[in-house]
Amino acid sequence: NAGVTQTPKFQVLKTGQSMTLQCAQDMNHNSMYWYRQDPGMGLRLIYYSASEGTTDKGEVPNGYNVSRLNKREFSLRLESAAPSQTSVYFCASSAPTGGVNQPQHFGDGTRLSIL
Amino acid sequence: AQKVTQAQTEISVVEKEDVTLDCVYETRDTTYYLFWYKQPPSGELVFLIRRNSFDEQNEISGRYSWNFQKSTSSFNFTITASQVVDSAVYFCALSEAGIRNSGSRLTFGEGTQLTVNP
Repeated sequence: NAGVTQTPKFQVLKTGQSMTLQCAQDMNHNSMYWYRQDPGMGLRLIYYSASEGTTDKGEVPNGYNVSRLNKREFSLRLESAAPSQTSVYFCASSAPTGGVNQPQHFGDGTRLSIL
Repeated sequence: AQKVTQAQTEISVVEKEDVTLDCVYETRDTTYYLFWYKQPPSGELVFLIRRNSFDEQNEISGRYSWNFQKSTSSFNFTITASQVVDSAVYFCALSEAGIRNSGSRLTFGEGTQLTVNP
């Protein structure tokens, strides 16, 4: 009953350090997403992967890279962390649309603080 | 560009009161989907409902009901007889119609913090 699993749950970095956030889903979903949640701003899409082998930019991609390692895994990398990237990061996945947009299922989030 | 506005930043009610959370959206698409998610204090996001742009029927699920009005671009959420466990942040979200076998991006509103006091 794992659903979407994110690791780590918490992380503190220093400015300039690099870090990869991991995400895996066991629901055989085609599409995966990374969002960040900041106070008063809702969730904003960073990158998404509509299907294995493809990735696309979302609303706020600067400072991030992603890798769709296989159908299950979608990682988010911060190459040189900045304090503005302090946020809660959510990974999500969704089933193929089949003509109807499916709801996204979210992981529990990663709280990232950059000093 | 798509946009979702939840004008109510915070709402506080007393248990058993009814409460309505407002959601107004903007899109140029004729086919789109609207969602509501709940984020309890534990932080996870829980899917509540999906509605497509061609289905304007209101929906009721227990104490929850949703009113979708295309004429006013609104998708409001009402909790009847609120309970303390309803305390959470509620997000309204919008997505364009996805291409078959592809995903679709969600545009979220800023969220409404609902506090239900005993």
